[in-house]
Amino acid sequence: AQSVTQLGSHVSVSEGALVLLRCNYSSSVPPYLFWYVQYPNQGLQLLLKYTTGATLVKGINGFEAEFKKSETSFHLTKPSAHMSDAAEYFCAVSVPGANSKLTFGKGITLSVRP
Amino acid sequence: GAVVSQHPSRVICKSGTSVKIECRSLDFQATTMFWYRQFPKKSLMLMATSNEGSKATYEQGVEKDKFLINHASLTLSTLTVTSAHPEDSSFYICSAARGEAGGETQYFGPGTRLLVL
Repeated sequence: AQSVTQLGSHVSVSEGALVLLRCNYSSSVPPYLFWYVQYPNQGLQLLLKYTTGATLVKGINGFEAEFKKSETSFHLTKPSAHMSDAAEYFCAVSVPGANSKLTFGKGITLSVRP
Repeated sequence: GAVVSQHPSRVICKSGTSVKIECRSLDFQATTMFWYRQFPKKSLMLMATSNEGSKATYEQGVEKDKFLINHASLTLSTLTVTSAHPEDSSFYICSAARGEAGGETQYFGPGTRLLVL
């Protein structure tokens, strides 16, 4: 079985500061990893994903994440936070070939201070 | 690309009535769609996996007779909440899986807010 750990429930950064949202996973096989963002009262939007190949993945809105197998991590970063980045962020894992079923972390709320 | 729509976006109904929510993949075909429920300040809870042309697979604890799922075409899945009660009030989100290089990716609809009075 797979699991995702997102430590903490809330991260607050200043506008222009580095954003770092942590995600650690557990999987018995090489996983696929995803980050989704959810704005209030909306569905989830795919930010980026890792399946195979290059371990540093670039996504939309200036976000990127690096797959580190040795650390079982897939942390999300953005060099400079913008007010519009304030949202809920979910890390998720799936097993290749397993019907694309996702296991989500509990999510983390990002606040951006002016 | 990869747009998923849901209809309605919000619905208010009386206790005991049934409500149907539609999920459509607008620009791709989806053999598999998923239905989630999300409580306030919580992560998504997978309710069921919907496969085109076959019966849905429900997660443990989800009543299949209460949450009827139909996936009649490669672009449409429906969730019917039968005999809705106030405890069914929630935010329901669907997703559709699209085959891509490296594997399938789920794309999510905008969600449906259900309030049962």
